[in-house]
Amino acid sequence: QQKVQQSPESLIVPEGAMTSLNCTFSDSASQYFAWYRQHSGKAPKALMSIFSNGEKEEGRFTIHLNKASLHFSLHIRDSQPSDSALYLCAVRRGSALGRLHFGAGTQLIVIP
Amino acid sequence: GPKVLQIPSHQIIDMGQMVTLNCDPVSNHLYFYWYKQILGQQMEFLVNFYNGKVMEKSKLFKDQFSVERPDGSYFTLKIQPTALEDSAVYFCASSSTVSNERLFFGHGTKLSVL
Repeated sequence: QQKVQQSPESLIVPEGAMTSLNCTFSDSASQYFAWYRQHSGKAPKALMSIFSNGEKEEGRFTIHLNKASLHFSLHIRDSQPSDSALYLCAVRRGSALGRLHFGAGTQLIVIP
Repeated sequence: GPKVLQIPSHQIIDMGQMVTLNCDPVSNHLYFYWYKQILGQQMEFLVNFYNGKVMEKSKLFKDQFSVERPDGSYFTLKIQPTALEDSAVYFCASSSTVSNERLFFGHGTKLSVL
């Protein structure tokens, strides 16, 4: 059974700071890695995803994957108060028909 | 952007009763999912559904659970009978393809079983 763990559980950063969120997974056969963001009372929304080792940048957001270390991360450059939300990492095996395993989340607060 | 609508947002029922949670997925999506989140814990996969059939289900998808999408209407999760441990937030999601892994989630239905 896939285990997905996130760290830290919560994080408070000042506006403009770089934020780094971490996710570890247990199944080395995992092939899809994603970050979702959930504002309070809202639906989780896909942010970014990656399939192969390395980095992928979209605007202020960068996802980094190291399969050998069973680890991927999300980095937010120039954090904004609107980035305040619950960040969920998600992992899937190649054959799992969209069955995502989620972490418990990191609650991010960006202070103006 | 595309939205998934879940109805109702909150449902309170007595243990042993039947409950149906409704989901209106994104209109051109073909794959549908239910996830369960107990308070303070992570979201757990329940089931996915395609072309009128359950494709995959987890251990959490008990015999008392069933899903259907009759005639392209709501995608529903029915629990009959309910148990206290069914209290949770249930999230519906949809995607256009399996290979396109971006899931679109609804806001969730909070189910309270008394």
